[in-house]
Amino acid sequence: NAGVTQTPKFRVLKTGQSMTLLCAQDMNHEYMYWYRQDPGMGLRLIHYSVGEGTTAKGEVPDGYNVSRLKKQNFLLGLESAAPSQTSVYFCASRIDERTGELFFGEGSRLTVL
Amino acid sequence: GQNIDQPTEMTATEGAIVQINCTYQTSGFNGLFWYQQHAGEAPTFLSYNVLDGLEEKGRFSSFLSRSKGYSYLLLKELQMKDSASYLCAGERSNDYKLSFGAGTTVTVRA
Repeated sequence: NAGVTQTPKFRVLKTGQSMTLLCAQDMNHEYMYWYRQDPGMGLRLIHYSVGEGTTAKGEVPDGYNVSRLKKQNFLLGLESAAPSQTSVYFCASRIDERTGELFFGEGSRLTVL
Repeated sequence: GQNIDQPTEMTATEGAIVQINCTYQTSGFNGLFWYQQHAGEAPTFLSYNVLDGLEEKGRFSSFLSRSKGYSYLLLKELQMKDSASYLCAGERSNDYKLSFGAGTTVTVRA
């Protein structure tokens, strides 16, 4: 039972490069989320999805794009990485909008030089 | 957001009890989550309170007072493996999104 899986776990980018983080969940959850976690700050919501084919902005969406072409996958893209995007990124999923807890992936540590 | 506030750090001795307090903005509040996060790992669910009162789960208990905008997580019979960050998160009533506090790092010493 994998739960929520994120790839890659670590990545180093140069400013201006692009990359995509992949999140996969095998629990048939409708809702999926991307958060970033920075020292001294709480997890902040970047984007989220309420179901296949839908996405919406969270608190800190600038510089990121997302897609949810399949229910089990939620992709986070950085088109032109900036040092301010150095962070640990967590994907999470939830059964639906208001039921149960969020299940988190193990995180992806991104460094932008 | 919910303006979640919790202490940055706490230290306690193995076998002791520690209480982690969390305050939040009461307007637009639905429920409160506690998560545990070991260094370099994913947050894992501990508890969810939506009604006033104390809920006990083994060595961990969580308390909520909706009128006071206050919650606490009580860790009893502390073990070394309890050394972790504990995240308080308020669930908003309008969209059920979670607003997370910065986390409380608990260090358990022998």
